[in-house]
Parts: sequence; structure tokens; C-alpha cells
Amino acid sequence: GQQLNQSPQSMFIQEGEDVSMNCTSSSIFNTWLWYKQDPGEGPVLLIALYKAGELTSNGRLTAQFGITRKDSFLNISASIPSDVGIYFCAGQNFGDMRFGAGTRLTVKP
Amino acid sequence: GAVVSQHPSRVICKSGTSVKIECRSLDFQATTMFWYRQFPKKSLMLMATSNEGSKATYEQGVEKDKFLINHASLTLSTLTVTSAHPEDSSFYICSARAPGGRPPYGYTFGSGTRLTVV
Repeated sequence: GQQLNQSPQSMFIQEGEDVSMNCTSSSIFNTWLWYKQDPGEGPVLLIALYKAGELTSNGRLTAQFGITRKDSFLNISASIPSDVGIYFCAGQNFGDMRFGAGTRLTVKP
Repeated sequence: GAVVSQHPSRVICKSGTSVKIECRSLDFQATTMFWYRQFPKKSLMLMATSNEGSKATYEQGVEKDKFLINHASLTLSTLTVTSAHPEDSSFYICSARAPGGRPPYGYTFGSGTRLTVV
């Protein structure tokens, strides 16, 4: 099946630093999505990308849909303690959505 | 916006018993719902896709007789873990998609169910 490679697996940063994580795939996706999951909760959608090359922001978050449709990145600027959690990328083709392994983010005050 | 309610949030059961998990779309009709399983510190693994009024489609390696899925209405899908064993202990999450929906409205996740089999 379609495999998503998400990196890094984990990040430990200081409050105020910027964060970047990315996802690559061997297959093309029509839609890329980025989710955040807090402990014991379901994922919450952060950003959805629908077109190759699209760059979308949501507050301090910025994500881009790669030109090849096989990759996407997520940037978080000026991190704050509540950014802590696991971030998942997901690629979607019609009804099929696959997730990356996640990036566990720790923010030190 | 779209809200998906999942119940229970936590359940502890004895080995050999069955457990039912409910996933409800509260403010929209969901023609398709998805069930995921998540191991500690791991990603979400799609178990099955359920379509209202028809049989669920299971991913390779998922036992359909073990994980029974019923999507009898446009607002409710249930996952029943039958004859549960400790290795079935996991975090189960559902998501729902509205007809013709486009993300983010199209895919909304429940808050998950932590199943512990003792």
C-alpha cells in the first residue's frame, strides 16, 4: 500500500523556536492533511491542502503541498508550550487516507 | 462544524468478553465511517471502512469476525471487539465523512476509546 515517511520522529525545542517537519510518499496524493493529536484524544485537523504547490497558513502554522504531489511540509513558527503533541501528516486519494508515523513535539518553556 | 462523538472513552474488560464502541456523527449524516487502531507512540492504522447500509471493507490482516462493524444508520457506526484478548488492548479511533464532503468537513475524528483487556 501507499507508504508515508514522516520526519523527524521527535523534536525537542525551546519555546519561541520555529519547527519544521515533512512527509514524503512513493505515491501521489490528491490531498495532503496535517493533524495534531493530544494524549488520549483523537486527531484534530490543522491544515488541508488540495492542490500541488499550494501554500496555506493557519495562524502560526504553514503547510505546503509539494509540486510533485508526493510530499508536504508543516512549519510552526514561534512555538509555545501548548504546541506539544504528536503531529501527523495524511495523504488522501478519494476515500482512502493514510497517515505518517507522526512527529512527537516537545516544547521546553 | 462537524462533530463526531465516540463512546466509551475508556473501557476495561475481561478476556473473552466482547466490547462495543460507538461512533456517532452529531450534526451531519455520515455515509462513510472509518475505524482506526493506534498502538502506543505509533500512527493510526486503518482497520476498516464502513458504508451505511452495506458491509464494511476490512484492511488486509484485520479479522472481520473479530472486529465486527455495523453502520446501520447515517449517524451511527459501531465496532464490536469479540472475544477480546489482551493483545486487542489498544486505542481505537473512528472518523466520519459526510457525503460529498471535502476536508476538513469531510473527515472528523472521534476522541478515541482506550480498550484494556485484562
